[in-house]
Formats: sequence, C-alpha cells, structure tokens
Amino acid sequence: RKEVEQDPGPFNVPEGATVAFNCTYSNSASQSFFWYRQDCRKEPKLLMSVYSSGNEDGRFTAQLNRASQYISLLIRDSKLSDSATYLCVVNRMGGSYIPTFGRGTSLIVHP
Amino acid sequence: GAVVSQHPSWVICKSGTSVKIECRSLDFQATTMFWYRQFPKQSLMLMATSNEGSKATYEQGVEKDKFLINHASLTLSTLTVTSAHPEDSSFYICSAMRSDTDTQYFGPGTRLTVL
Repeated sequence: RKEVEQDPGPFNVPEGATVAFNCTYSNSASQSFFWYRQDCRKEPKLLMSVYSSGNEDGRFTAQLNRASQYISLLIRDSKLSDSATYLCVVNRMGGSYIPTFGRGTSLIVHP
Repeated sequence: GAVVSQHPSWVICKSGTSVKIECRSLDFQATTMFWYRQFPKQSLMLMATSNEGSKATYEQGVEKDKFLINHASLTLSTLTVTSAHPEDSSFYICSAMRSDTDTQYFGPGTRLTVL
C-alpha cells in the first residue's frame, strides 16, 4: 500500500459545482498535513494546511480525520481557474520531517 | 507566505557535463530543504533531504555520487547533477521548510535537458 494515496481523477466538473477530494495516509505517526495545487509544468503552490479541527479559506475547506487516516479538500463554487492538480502532502517525523506526496488529483472545471 | 528562488530556470547541456542548481529561501531561514524530480505526467519524487551543516539524506535508488547536495547556509542549498545523461532530463524542484509551521515552499523549478 502506498504511503499517501489519492484518486488521480480527472474530476471533470462544470463551473459553480462543488467538488471534494480525499487523500488517505498509512502512517499513523504522520503529524502535519497540507494541500498544494500544481499547474501544468509549474511548481506546487501551497493551498492550505490542514488542522485537526478543520479549516476554511474562502471557497476551500480542508478536514482531517485521524481515526480513519484521511484528509479531504472541498471546493465550492468551482471556477475555471481552479483547474489544476491537487496534491496531498503528509509529513511524518523521522529525525526531521519527511514529506510524502500523493500522486495528485486532476481537476478540470469546464464552462 | 514565503519565497524560494531557484536558478537556473532551465538548462540545456551536453551529455557528460555537470549542472549545478541553486535553491535559495529569500525571506526565511531553512534548516531543511528538499530536492525533488518530476517526469512528465508523473508525481513528484523526493530525491533527498538537505540539512544545513550536515550530509544530505538520499532516498532509496538515488545515487549520492551522481546528485551532489550541499547545504552550506540556512538560505542556500545546491544540487549538482554530475556527468549528466539524457535520462537525467527532468524537472528538478527544490523546497524549503519553514520550521515554525512545518510548511514547505517550493522554488519555481529547473527544467534540465541533456542532449
């Protein structure tokens, strides 16, 4: 089993739709969690950290479920500009923090 | 946020030459930086963890003698691809970790093409 798993998609949704991605992780020692977005041929950019209590940033909501070992990202009112690959990142301790990336979920928002 | 720069943004070189890529954290100090490689339509692959003042930790399958990493200061890490071959052509991305938030910030990447 991969350490961090994401459905690669693509998720193809119309503008204005609500879409949710999940990411599961296998290492219970994982300590911090993030969502990044990556546009084609660009570097990943931090979208948001994921906190135990859940957190929201505008149209984006992230949640963490430690018991089931998954994190989620909800995007409301999708825009064309949300089209990208969304990467789940999980940090675990191994002396220092060791980040592990999911392979990413592709989102395509169409008019 | 935080700013990480990477230089050069792209490089084309002949087979057998060495290429040096620099990664700098511009507005914060980073004791830990990471080097990744990404092939087209594939996920980021962690190559090594670069720790300031100590030897880098390489992931399994990554040759430390081929990919030399130096983290000489709290704001600079370098990756040197030695004796590059066409199969080394890839998108190399660095990131720097802010210790106060455990958050990685990525450089813009270096596209390496080896002829």
